[in-house]
Amino acid sequence: QVQLVQSGSELMKPGASVKVSCKASGYTFSRYGMNWVRQAPGQGLEWMGWINTNTGNPTYAQGFRGRFVISLDTSVSTAYLQISSLRAEDTAMYYCARETSGLIDYWGQGTLVTVSS
Amino acid sequence: QSALTQPASVSGSPGQSITISCTGTSSDVGGYNYVSWYQQHPGKAPKVMIYEVSNRPSGVSNRFSGSKSGNTASLTISGLQAEDEADYYCTSYTTNNTWLFGGGSKLTVL
Repeated sequence: QVQLVQSGSELMKPGASVKVSCKASGYTFSRYGMNWVRQAPGQGLEWMGWINTNTGNPTYAQGFRGRFVISLDTSVSTAYLQISSLRAEDTAMYYCARETSGLIDYWGQGTLVTVSS
Repeated sequence: QSALTQPASVSGSPGQSITISCTGTSSDVGGYNYVSWYQQHPGKAPKVMIYEVSNRPSGVSNRFSGSKSGNTASLTISGLQAEDEADYYCTSYTTNNTWLFGGGSKLTVL
């Protein structure tokens, strides 16, 4: 069965960097895109960007260009989200989610990133 | 790009029907049939309930249905049940080759 398993919660200091992983199993990794979605505490879902798992080419939403990097390691069927220069407002749950032709179907369990001094 | 517009809250009694709207522009909802609806219970990951405006994934109850008219998509839940109480989000593909979510609607089953 399709599974997206994300890395565990992170407690980070402002200014640091964090890298969240999303390991896929149960399907052919390169046939589906991978999206990243942010959800701040008590807030709604916010699409951050996605990566073409065939070409490795990422696309970012307007508010997520610069400090956010989406990458892949196809040898281990894993997508990554790296956030640099962390700020308090980056505190959120981060989800990876698989996409196929206009449908985001399977989601990871989420990774809570807390930024606090 | 601003989020798609959804009512912040909707409510209904068990057995009733409710409809949640999702308003965008011709650059997103009105321009594509790639509109999906997600259900999210507290502390859980979202679950797709409707995709491509009106299609239901296997395993989703036929009490959930979707439609679209112009720049507004709608999710209707008929025969409300207590377990339907959750947050609901719409999303649409856009002309920028990106996805855009709605602000979310909290459904309360009275």
